[in-house]
Amino acid sequence: NAGVTQTPKFQVLKTGQSMTLQCAQDMNHEYMSWYRQDPGMGLRLIHYSVGAGITDQGEVPNGYNVSRSTTEDFPLRLLSAAPSQTSVYFCASMPGASVKQYFGPGTRLTVT
Amino acid sequence: RKEVEQDPGPFNVPEGATVAFNCTYSNSASQSFFWYRQDCRKEPKLLMSVYSSGNEDGRFTAQLNRASQYISLLIRDSKLSDSATYLCVVSLNTGFQKLVFGTGTRLLVSP
Repeated sequence: NAGVTQTPKFQVLKTGQSMTLQCAQDMNHEYMSWYRQDPGMGLRLIHYSVGAGITDQGEVPNGYNVSRSTTEDFPLRLLSAAPSQTSVYFCASMPGASVKQYFGPGTRLTVT
Repeated sequence: RKEVEQDPGPFNVPEGATVAFNCTYSNSASQSFFWYRQDCRKEPKLLMSVYSSGNEDGRFTAQLNRASQYISLLIRDSKLSDSATYLCVVSLNTGFQKLVFGTGTRLLVSP
């Protein structure tokens, strides 16, 4: 099993550009989430999904969209990148009633 | 006030030392508690869950005090490989387990 994979590992965007961060898991987990991690702040939940076709907002959803068309994939879309979105983004998955989240390796995004 | 507060450190200790980290949380309805470990520029990984009765995993002991809303992690006989950031995490089980992360405590173990 590859676990949780994320692409790209690094990305530089200009303000106003859009892009999609990819996340995939091969563990058949129901729940998937996106977090961002900024210096001096804990990981913050952006969006999450409890199954294919079901998504909901987390703590900091503005400027991001998600969809969950399959169990495996949970892409995060930046609609119009802003410097405030410069961060490290982690995707995570977990079985429905588990306490353990499995994180992907992260995507380091810089918006100039 | 942050929902989960931790001393950012760094804690500098020699190999073999015992070190303790503390964490406080503000939401009394929090139901699940964890310590995650994060190595530099890597993803967080679950170290251990924390139970009211206290639990141990090798050199690591975690304690929870619900009355004081306080969580601790004790590391005995520190190894160089324990150098990392330790994240205190709490969860409100509202159907989906929304985890709230502390900012982490950095530990540096030196030879």
